[in-house]
Amino acid sequence: GENVEQHPSTLSVQEGDSAVIKCTYSDSASNYFPWYKQELGKRPQLIIDIRSNVGEKKDQRIAVTLNKTAKHFSLHITETQPEDSAVYFCAASLDSGGSNYKLTFGKGTLLTVNP
Amino acid sequence: GAVVSQHPSRVICKSGTSVKIECRSLDFQATTMFWYRQFPKQSLMLMATSNEGSKATYEQGVEKDKFLINHASLTLSTLTVTSAHPEDSSFYICSATSTNSPLHFGNGTRLTVT
Repeated sequence: GENVEQHPSTLSVQEGDSAVIKCTYSDSASNYFPWYKQELGKRPQLIIDIRSNVGEKKDQRIAVTLNKTAKHFSLHITETQPEDSAVYFCAASLDSGGSNYKLTFGKGTLLTVNP
Repeated sequence: GAVVSQHPSRVICKSGTSVKIECRSLDFQATTMFWYRQFPKQSLMLMATSNEGSKATYEQGVEKDKFLINHASLTLSTLTVTSAHPEDSSFYICSATSTNSPLHFGNGTRLTVT
């Protein structure tokens, strides 16, 4: 089955700096790679996703890059703000929709943005 | 508003009793629901995949006789933790989708077994 590795486990940055979180996956059949933000005791919230036919996707301060050959993808947050502090999870699945949406999650990164 | 409702949000039960958690899709028909378990400061681990009208498919290491999953309708799936023990204390989260629908997570259920 799929295995997703995520680094670093904790990341502390100063407000305004950039944050980068990296993930690798093992199953070359995976085609869908979402990133989730989870605050303590709450549901994961999708912040950005990317499919295997795209190398990069950006949404305001958040971007994701994907290298399908190397089987790794990264989350980039620019101009970080204290409200970005949370646990971030990467995930991988065969695809989106129905049973293909079976997500394998990374272990998570605790991001702390210091004012 | 929430498109997937999970109930209860918190439950405390005594060791040996059973607990049922409900996951409802509010405004779409969920052909597939997933159940995850999340221990403190850990990741979400998939327990099972449930397709409406079919038996759930359990992940390796998850006891199907202990974690009973029912997905009898397109809007409701239930997870019953039978004979709960303190080690079953965890955060249980469902997610729901259909063929052309995004994946929606429930708010999660904090189970504490005393």
